[in-house]
Amino acid sequence: GESVGLHLPTLSVQEGDNSIINCAYSNSASDYFIWYKQESGKGPQFIIDIRSNMDKRQGQRVTVLLNKTVKHLSLQIAATQPGDSAVYFCAERATSNTGKLIFGQGTTLQVKP
Amino acid sequence: EPEVTQTPSHQVTQMGQEVILRCVPISNHLYFYWYRQILGQKVEFLVSFYNNEISEKSEIFDDQFSVERPDGSNFTLKIRSTKLEDSAMYFCASSYDPNTEAFFGQGTRLTVV
Repeated sequence: GESVGLHLPTLSVQEGDNSIINCAYSNSASDYFIWYKQESGKGPQFIIDIRSNMDKRQGQRVTVLLNKTVKHLSLQIAATQPGDSAVYFCAERATSNTGKLIFGQGTTLQVKP
Repeated sequence: EPEVTQTPSHQVTQMGQEVILRCVPISNHLYFYWYRQILGQKVEFLVSFYNNEISEKSEIFDDQFSVERPDGSNFTLKIRSTKLEDSAMYFCASSYDPNTEAFFGQGTRLTVV
């Protein structure tokens, strides 16, 4: 069935450390993946995306890795800052022309000063 | 920077009443979406809309729900007869095409009493 999940509900890191947030997806036909950040009381904010023809994509302080063999997605945040504290969701888009996103459960990132 | 705007930010309504949630998508986007998020849970897809018609809807989007693009800028979600379980954050999103990033609004918190 369609589902996207995250391995850990909460991740606590020290300011300045690197963070790794993981996500497992079940639909092998999905070809586009997005990481969103959601701060309290706000809407999901786009962080980075990756298509299934790529294994890795880098942004500013963030890297997304895609392992299609095991259907695993991860978000790496370098030098984590207090402003990174939020809930992080991975989302997948199946090969459809409707744009529907399937979200995972979310991981809460807590950054300790 | 262009953004998706939603009004109102918070709506309280009596059970059985009709509500209309409003959204102004990003101006050059062609695909529009509604999602909802029950407190503490993941974001769930409701409906996608393109070319003035629904392109996909979820099981949640039953006959009590409808969407409309009444003019060139607004996109609305109507719930005909609200139930207690409709209480949630409702997010509007838009994208230029179905395989690029979707941008989300700040959400409308709907409370049904």
